[in-house]
Amino acid sequence: AQSVTQLGSHVSVSEGALVLLRCNYSSSVPPYLFWYVQYPNQGLQLLLKYTSAATLVKGINGFEAEFKKSETSFHLTKPSAHMSDAAEYFCAVSESIAGGTSYGKLTFGQGTILTVHP
Amino acid sequence: EAGVAQSPRYKIIEKRQSVAFWCNPISGHATLYWYQQILGQGPKLLIQFQNNGVVDDSQLPKDRFSAERLKGVDSTLKIQPAKLEDSAVYLCASSLDPSGAKLFFGSGTQLSVL
Repeated sequence: AQSVTQLGSHVSVSEGALVLLRCNYSSSVPPYLFWYVQYPNQGLQLLLKYTSAATLVKGINGFEAEFKKSETSFHLTKPSAHMSDAAEYFCAVSESIAGGTSYGKLTFGQGTILTVHP
Repeated sequence: EAGVAQSPRYKIIEKRQSVAFWCNPISGHATLYWYQQILGQGPKLLIQFQNNGVVDDSQLPKDRFSAERLKGVDSTLKIQPAKLEDSAVYLCASSLDPSGAKLFFGSGTQLSVL
């Protein structure tokens, strides 16, 4: 069974500081990993995804994440936070379907609320 | 491009009442999902449709929840009767293909059961 743990339900940074949101996963087969962002009163939006190609994945709005199999981690980073980055971030995992290309069912973490201070 | 549309935006009901949510996916998206997001938790998949057929409903509480996607476009999710623990945001998402590589989410329906 697959699962996701996001370390820290709230993260607060100053504008211009490094953003680091932590995600660890558990999966019985090679996983596909995703980060979604949810701005207030909006639906979730895909930031980036890892699908067994390059381990360092670049997404929208300057975010990137690195897949580390040995650490079962997929942490999200951004070198310099902007006020507009304030939102809730969700890490998700899905397991590849044997013999196919389907990503299967997504399992989400509990989310991390990012606050950016001026 | 229009996004995933959901209605109503908010709904307040008493326990044991029934409620229905509506979703209109992005035009041309064959795959539609309903997720339940309880406060403080990540979204949990309730049901996945491919066109008008059910792909996965393993986490749908079938004694009280039902969903349909007639004609493979719009979808409705119903709860009858509602319980207090059904209070959550119900999210609809769609994708162009069943691979699940990129989901587009609606803004959700926030349900409060009193």
